[in-house]
Amino acid sequence: TQLLEQSPQFLSIQEGENLTVYCNSSSVFSSLQWYRQEPGEGPVLLVTVVTGGEVKKLKRLTFQFGDARKDSSLHITAAQPGDTGLYLCAGVGNTGGFKTIFGAGTRLFVKA
Amino acid sequence: ETGVTQSPTHLIKTRGQQVTLRCSSQSGHNTVSWYQQALGQGPQFIFQYYREEENGRGNFPPRFSGLQFPNYSSELNVNALELDDSALYLCASSSWTGRINYGYTFGSGTRLTVV
Repeated sequence: TQLLEQSPQFLSIQEGENLTVYCNSSSVFSSLQWYRQEPGEGPVLLVTVVTGGEVKKLKRLTFQFGDARKDSSLHITAAQPGDTGLYLCAGVGNTGGFKTIFGAGTRLFVKA
Repeated sequence: ETGVTQSPTHLIKTRGQQVTLRCSSQSGHNTVSWYQQALGQGPQFIFQYYREEENGRGNFPPRFSGLQFPNYSSELNVNALELDDSALYLCASSSWTGRINYGYTFGSGTRLTVV
């Protein structure tokens, strides 16, 4: 069974601070996605990483896929209150079809 | 783009009843997946459909079943509802080329409460 462990589960920081969220697994994924979810809404895709070692930047967000395609990190620079939300990583299976496994999420709260 | 739409948005059912949830995929997407998200948890994969056939299933019992129609809309059916089935049910669509999945577009979900 593929599992994705996210850490930390909860993070409360001051505006302007930096943070990193981790997503780890013992399984290899064909791609890994990061989503952000607001209360009462479905997750919204932030980025997809495909190649081992790949780094993608989205404004103040930096995403990295591990060399072995088993883990990933999300780094936010100078967090803002608008970054508050539930951040989810999702690994897409490396076998036929693309069964997607989600982590339990990191709930981020950025205080002004 | 039309996005993914789900109906109904909220639903209350009694234990033992059956429920059908509906989803309209984003235009141009050929794959639809369903997820169950309990409060405070990440989405749990139920199953996915490609070209009207189920091609992946998570650890859910057979009373969870689904359909994908030629227009790529989809249904999730749950029989013999249990209290633990209370959750947000999310539908997601994507475009699969046979190699890499580049991400899903999610609907806003159906909040199911079983009493």
